[in-house]
Amino acid sequence: LAKTTQPISMDSYEGQEVNITCSHNNIATNDYITWYQQFPSQGPRFIIQGYKTKVTNEVASLFIPADRKSSTLSLPRVSLSDTAVYYCLVGDDYKLSFGAGTTVTVRA
Amino acid sequence: NAGVTQTPKFRILKIGQSMTLQCTQDMNHNYMYWYRQDPGMGLKLIYYSVGAGITDKGEVPNGYNVSRSTTEDFPLRLELAAPSQTSVYFCASTLGPLGEQYFGPGTRLTVT
Repeated sequence: LAKTTQPISMDSYEGQEVNITCSHNNIATNDYITWYQQFPSQGPRFIIQGYKTKVTNEVASLFIPADRKSSTLSLPRVSLSDTAVYYCLVGDDYKLSFGAGTTVTVRA
Repeated sequence: NAGVTQTPKFRILKIGQSMTLQCTQDMNHNYMYWYRQDPGMGLKLIYYSVGAGITDKGEVPNGYNVSRSTTEDFPLRLELAAPSQTSVYFCASTLGPLGEQYFGPGTRLTVT
């Protein structure tokens, strides 16, 4: 499994864009990059998944450079309800590893 | 669809007691998983199943057992509870190997 490194915490304000970068230097050719969000006392929730370049859905964008050694989750115009832990996972099958994640705190 | 359901929500066990954590999904997913999450930590995979009758160990299987007799159900058994098993347990399911994982609400277990 590819090892991932992401910041422990990030602070932001309502209405700002939040970008969380995840490093995965030993990513394998078949690995995908997946991000999950977890609120306190709840199970994680899938946000987005990608293999290369850019993926966008209704809640986030995922930017993956050509070398795929890192990826950036972008949350546009965050609100207080986006305060959560965000996990970056890298792998090619179901045995994905959830690290400690990044705690994002959005302030008014 | 109810998605993934887990029972109970909370449980307190004494050391040495046994219990089964129930997990059911109604999405006809082949893959199911059990994770534990200790305070301030990420999730660790305990066991997983790729289909009825097939189970395998994850990262931290010691002290646990599972079975998968149907597609819908994936119970987790603790035989001799220990304080180190105090944690929040999440069950999840996916349709395929890399699909979006759907998580249940979790079971908060305390062993004293």
